[in-house]
Amino acid sequence: DVKVTQSSRYLVKRTGEKVFLECVQDMDHENMFWYRQDPGLGLRLIYFSYDVKMKEKGDIPEGYSVSREKKERFSLILESASTNQTSMYLCASSPSQEKLFFGSGTQLSVL
Amino acid sequence: SQQGEEDPQALSIQEGENATMNCSYKTSINNLQWYRQNSGRGLVHLILIRSNEREKHSGRLRVTLDTSKKSSSLLITASRAADTASYFCASPGGYNKLIFGAGTRLAVHP
Repeated sequence: DVKVTQSSRYLVKRTGEKVFLECVQDMDHENMFWYRQDPGLGLRLIYFSYDVKMKEKGDIPEGYSVSREKKERFSLILESASTNQTSMYLCASSPSQEKLFFGSGTQLSVL
Repeated sequence: SQQGEEDPQALSIQEGENATMNCSYKTSINNLQWYRQNSGRGLVHLILIRSNEREKHSGRLRVTLDTSKKSSSLLITASRAADTASYFCASPGGYNKLIFGAGTRLAVHP
């Protein structure tokens, strides 16, 4: 089975801190994604990557950056965390558009 | 931007009843997918229906697609308490991207 592992299940950070969310997949998928999920808003795409060192902005990239130095790892970076970035963050990987495999999510609270 | 919009936002039924969730989307698509999310967890892919298919079955799941109305429905038959979850439709929104709706929260009561 495909496994997508997010490094933290829960994370509490202070405003202004630099935050790293890590995601690792074990199926050699080309594509990896970061979504955030907020009540009533569903999943919104932050960034995605279709190859090593390649990245594309999603619908809400402001305040975030990403890094993909190796195929299996896709990191989401909050340069200076703010309270409005408190959310559930979901990583996913996929060989195509036809099926995404998700991690268990990281619930981030920024105080 | 939201490609898919689910309806209803929440649904509460008794075990054994059928649950129907609807999804509308905005642009032409080549497939539509449904995912399930248990509380506080990641999403799991349930089923994909292609634009040239009208109906597809998988176990107790039945998905329909009406491309003329830009809508899809997910039917769960003979629901169980374990079906309690949020259900999302998703459709391609560009190169290798999927865009998700806000989801339907389903509660199945024993």
